[in-house]
Amino acid sequence: AQSVAQPEDQVNVAEGNPLTVKCTYSVSGNPYLFWYVQYPNRGLQFLLKYITGDNLVKGSYGFEAEFNKSQTSFHLKKPSALVSDSALYFCAVRDGTGGYQKVTFGTGTKLQVIP
Amino acid sequence: KAGVTQTPRYLIKTRGQQVTLSCSPISGHRSVSWYQQTPGQGLQFLFEYFSETQRNKGNFPGRFSGRQFSNSRSEMNVSTLELGDSALYLCASISGTGGARTEAFFGQGTRLTVV
Repeated sequence: AQSVAQPEDQVNVAEGNPLTVKCTYSVSGNPYLFWYVQYPNRGLQFLLKYITGDNLVKGSYGFEAEFNKSQTSFHLKKPSALVSDSALYFCAVRDGTGGYQKVTFGTGTKLQVIP
Repeated sequence: KAGVTQTPRYLIKTRGQQVTLSCSPISGHRSVSWYQQTPGQGLQFLFEYFSETQRNKGNFPGRFSGRQFSNSRSEMNVSTLELGDSALYLCASISGTGGARTEAFFGQGTRLTVV
């Protein structure tokens, strides 16, 4: 079975400071990893994904994520937070081995950027 | 190209009633997934359809059902509604067939309130 853990329900960061939203995963095969963002009363918007290749993945709105196989982590980062980054962030994983597998989401982390 | 369309956006139903939600995926996508989002449980996978066949199912009671039509549009039905079914129901249109290019594109969701 595959799973995703987002250990922080909420992360607070001052505008202009770097931000990190944590995610760890568990899959039996090759991990395909994703980050999504959700604004109030909206669906999820895709930010970035890791399939293979470079461990540092760059995505939309200046976000990036680092894949660490030994720590089974895929933390989301941004060098300088904006107030408009305040939203709910979801990490997701899919087992990329052996045919189609469903996507499993974490419980979400609320990011609050303080002006 | 047009995104994922979910109708209706908002719905209020009474306990015991049934409800049908609709999702039109992105043109060319043959797979649709459904998720239930609640504050306490996060994003819970309901089921996924590919070419009119249910490919995966989450841990929900039989009151939750779905189907997919030949044009890839999908419906989900909830019978005998309970207060706990109040949630945001998200539909994801899935590109690809399970390989590295597979991505999920979400609709804005249907907000169901059971009173």
